[in-house]
Amino acid sequence: DVQMTQSPSSLSASVGDRVTITCRASQDISNYLAWYQHKPGKGPKLLMYAASTLQPGVPSRFSGSGSGTDFTLTINSLQPEDVATYYCQKYNSAPWIIFGQGTRLDI
Amino acid sequence: EVQLLQSGGGLVQPGGSLRLSCGGSGFTFSSHSMGWVRRPPGRGLEWVSAITGSGGRTFYSNSIKGRFTISRDNSENTLYLQMDSLRGEDTGEYFCVKDIWDREITMIFDHWGQGTLVTVSS
Repeated sequence: DVQMTQSPSSLSASVGDRVTITCRASQDISNYLAWYQHKPGKGPKLLMYAASTLQPGVPSRFSGSGSGTDFTLTINSLQPEDVATYYCQKYNSAPWIIFGQGTRLDI
Repeated sequence: EVQLLQSGGGLVQPGGSLRLSCGGSGFTFSSHSMGWVRRPPGRGLEWVSAITGSGGRTFYSNSIKGRFTISRDNSENTLYLQMDSLRGEDTGEYFCVKDIWDREITMIFDHWGQGTLVTVSS
């Protein structure tokens, strides 16, 4: 089975910082990768899919890159409302999908 | 505006049953695959089950296969998850999810329900 490994598992940053979260797949998944933001008490929010396609309404400070096995979520100019847990998800073998273990982001 | 409104959940003893419901609005419900994702306490997201728009095909993760049943009533715009033979490891927050595009199953979830808590404990 393909495994998805996120790093770091948690991080703390300051308002205005540039933050990078990585996601590594144990096998080539092309660009079949999505990123979600999850805040407590709410359902997760889709940020982007196809590794780098931003979902409408998502601020442009969020960006994604990567292909194959290594992927990155970048938040430029971190804002207080970005405090959340972030998950990557592979979907190349839909409907059988796997999420990364999550990265908790604090300010 | 797309909305997914969940109901059901609660406290149940091991071996018991629960049914979760998820009402969809603001989109053509029957055109979209739907599913369930859960988050066990202290852990990350875990896919549980999916169903095509027509309801003709269903899919389950190995951890719940044979115990949970996903279904939908397109006339009522409602998705269900019947959970039987519940175990402690089924405890968690359950989310219903909507597939981003119609007429295909991509497993990219553009809308999520608000979540409902399921606790399996004696």
